[in-house]
Amino acid sequence: ELKVEQNPLFLSMQEGKNYTIYCNYSTTSDRLYWYRQDPGKSLESLFVLLSNGAVKQEGRLMASLDTKARLSTLHITAAVHDLSATYFCAVDRWSNYQLIWGAGTKLIIKP
Amino acid sequence: GAGVSQSPSNKVTEKGKDVELRCDPISGHTALYWYRQRLGQGLEFLIYFQGNSAPDKSGLPSDRFSAERTGESVSTLTIQRTQQEDSAVYLCASSSGGQGEGQPQHFGDGTRLSIL
Repeated sequence: ELKVEQNPLFLSMQEGKNYTIYCNYSTTSDRLYWYRQDPGKSLESLFVLLSNGAVKQEGRLMASLDTKARLSTLHITAAVHDLSATYFCAVDRWSNYQLIWGAGTKLIIKP
Repeated sequence: GAGVSQSPSNKVTEKGKDVELRCDPISGHTALYWYRQRLGQGLEFLIYFQGNSAPDKSGLPSDRFSAERTGESVSTLTIQRTQQEDSAVYLCASSSGGQGEGQPQHFGDGTRLSIL
């Protein structure tokens, strides 16, 4: 059964620091998605990673995918308060069309 | 419309009542998904529609839950004889292709359902 695990589930950090959120999954897939959710809001698509070695960057966020390790990372550079949110990763299940979601990483960035 | 629209945005009802939640996907999106999100938790898949194919209902938690979609347009999620454990935010998402095509899902703002 496909499982998606995010680590850490909660992260509190200071502005200006760098950090990485990890997303591990348990079976073959080469389609991984990162979403952001602000408190009380819906989910916003951040990145779609479609192949081994894919790297995408948007502002202070960079996502990468290693399909051999079954690992994606979301790296935050010089964090700012506006990046405070919950970040979810999700993986395509090859056998059907469901996305399997991680539990989310709640990120709090203190000014 | 420009995005996925859900209504109502909030619904408070008494235990045992039926509720109907509505989702208008982005025009032209063939795929439509319903999720449930309990407070502070991740997304729980409920049901998936793709074009005119039979929906995948494998995520529906009980026979009190049902959903319909008319062609590639509006979908309704119905919960009969609501229970307190049904309290959650119900999110609808649509995408322009099936999951395997690598298209991101676009989410509505959700319906916050509270069962008294």
